[in-house]
Amino acid sequence: QKEVEQNSGPLSVPEGAIASLNCTYSDRGSQSFFWYRQYSGKSPELIMSIYSNGDKEDGRFTAQLNKASQYVSLLIRDSQPSDSATYLCAVNPDSGTYKYIFGTGTRLKVLA
Amino acid sequence: ETGVTQTPRHLVMGMTNKKSLKCEQHLGHNAMYWYKQSAKKPLELMFVYSLEERVENNSVPSRFSPECPNSSHLFLHLHTLQPEDSALYLCASSQEVRGYEQYFGPGTRLTVT
Repeated sequence: QKEVEQNSGPLSVPEGAIASLNCTYSDRGSQSFFWYRQYSGKSPELIMSIYSNGDKEDGRFTAQLNKASQYVSLLIRDSQPSDSATYLCAVNPDSGTYKYIFGTGTRLKVLA
Repeated sequence: ETGVTQTPRHLVMGMTNKKSLKCEQHLGHNAMYWYKQSAKKPLELMFVYSLEERVENNSVPSRFSPECPNSSHLFLHLHTLQPEDSALYLCASSQEVRGYEQYFGPGTRLTVT
């Protein structure tokens, strides 16, 4: 079983729509969760972190965490073509290691 | 310079060469990381340093040798690499290990011929 799972996509949404990206994780004791955006040929760029159950909003981005169901999601409102990228979910398991476990990412395409 | 910088940005080396990748962070962080990113694979954590002490070595072959002389600098020494080592090598830093946001450098695109 993969430790962090994401649908590879591509997820295609029209400009102005809400894009919903999902991530599930296997380590129930995980405490820290992160979303990164990676443009083709570039390095990952931190979008936001979330540590508590519920929603966290930052501009057009909202992260949602549900520890009981072991999933974390990212909503992008008013999607723009410039949001087209691969979105990586990362989890810091509470298993005594220093690892950050990344998913393979979901490719988002925002259609103009 | 701001954030996390890496040099060189591109590197082509033969299997018998020795080279080094350099990473510098200007964020005042105490933890630094090396990752490998290959096509269609998740980021693979290679090494973790906390205040210049290596705290994680993720079963990386000995042909990769890290060095952290201080909390701002991190090196990855490469020797006798294999073609399958061709990848994007990313350096990252965070305030502390465990649970903190990581900030990535631009990466070094390595090609082993």
